[in-house]
Amino acid sequence: DSGVTQTPKHLITATGQRVTLRCSPRSGDLSVYWYQQSLDQGLQFLIQYYNGEERAKGNILERFSAQQFPDLHSELNLSSLELGDSALYFCASSARTTNEKLFFGSGTQLSVL
Amino acid sequence: GQNIDQPTEMTATEGAIVQINCTYQTSGFNGLFWYQQHAGEAPTFLSYNVLDGLEEKGRFSSFLSRSKGYSYLLLKELQMKDSASYLCAVRVPSGQNFVFGPGTRLSVLP
Repeated sequence: DSGVTQTPKHLITATGQRVTLRCSPRSGDLSVYWYQQSLDQGLQFLIQYYNGEERAKGNILERFSAQQFPDLHSELNLSSLELGDSALYFCASSARTTNEKLFFGSGTQLSVL
Repeated sequence: GQNIDQPTEMTATEGAIVQINCTYQTSGFNGLFWYQQHAGEAPTFLSYNVLDGLEEKGRFSSFLSRSKGYSYLLLKELQMKDSASYLCAVRVPSGQNFVFGPGTRLSVLP
């Protein structure tokens, strides 16, 4: 158990809909990262938050948004969903120090039908 | 820009040794990480290098050459359970972000 909690584990929805993925980081970790992994693809970085503030942005679509709350949990909002958004979405957390590794949640499998 | 390359697939035999290479070109460098990922599961940490040289951890070793932008993961005494994808990742100074390579899918055959 990595200590990072992601919900829900599976999500099935239709095109055009909006969903929210939730992540609670490991106790004490201030950084939260969101990654997308499509079938047979590598981990694509979406966005990173540190202590409530956005720190880095990757190839995140304008239809996607995220935030980190005062209790450090984070939510990733995906709207106007398309078939191509079907993927495994991972949340990860780490401490601030440079030699600290990422701890991953178990992921949310999103299926857009 | 950030670029990390790894071979797409590798095959090896149970009990053998396999070396998975990773080359990187990134804007800054704060360490190189190797992760193992079984299909449909979360990546799990294997090793970390920040200085040049070899880090050994049981059956797994990882090597880094910062001047060459090169790392490898060495897996010894391969077991069937080692069949998985192996991800190379570089931590960059910008936001202490992690940039992942495409991953190498390793198949261990009996």
